[in-house]
Amino acid sequence: DTGVSQDPRHKITKRGQNVTFRCDPISEHNRLYWYRQTLGQGPEFLTYFQNEAQLEKSRLLSDRFSAERPKGSFSTLEIQRTEQGDSAMYLCASSPGTGETQYFGPGTRLLVL
Amino acid sequence: DQQVKQNSPSLSVQEGRISILNCDYTNSMFDYFLWYKKYPAEGPTFLISISSIKDKNEDGRFTVFLNKSAKHLSLHIVPSQPGDSAVYFCAASEGGFQKLVFGTGTRLLVSP
Repeated sequence: DTGVSQDPRHKITKRGQNVTFRCDPISEHNRLYWYRQTLGQGPEFLTYFQNEAQLEKSRLLSDRFSAERPKGSFSTLEIQRTEQGDSAMYLCASSPGTGETQYFGPGTRLLVL
Repeated sequence: DQQVKQNSPSLSVQEGRISILNCDYTNSMFDYFLWYKKYPAEGPTFLISISSIKDKNEDGRFTVFLNKSAKHLSLHIVPSQPGDSAVYFCAASEGGFQKLVFGTGTRLLVSP
């Protein structure tokens, strides 16, 4: 059983550019989560999906951020008009369903110059 | 408002000894607690969890203790091994295990 995969692993962009990250969850995991981790902090919840439905969004997820999971499988997280404060590790996790352990991918490290 | 706190940024232990990592929380609605281990440039790896209906859960060298009245949990690693050197995150969730709230992590260094 392959784990959660994320692509790309690293992204360097200039301020104002748009970026998109992809997450492929563990096969048949219904729930998919996005978190963000900055230096010296623990991961912070951004949003999560139950199949293709986005059930909750954190107030951290400003209107420049959008996440989708169109067919209930992989998910994308897009950041528009990136800012230096968006520099962080973006982590994706999946779980079989509610009440189940979340398993994390390796993350995408974003650096906004 | 930090709902999950790990007050020790780092811990050094000798190989073979016990490592004790601590975590405090403020939200009494949390009903599930987890520990994750993280190596540099990797995502967090699940270690062990405990439900609020229990006060102890054991898995091999790892034991988690929960003291609900004190809103405190701890992770014991016995015996500690150099490969255990990593950052350990405590996390909590409420109401059916949805979003996780993480602490800031404790860096464990196990020296030979």
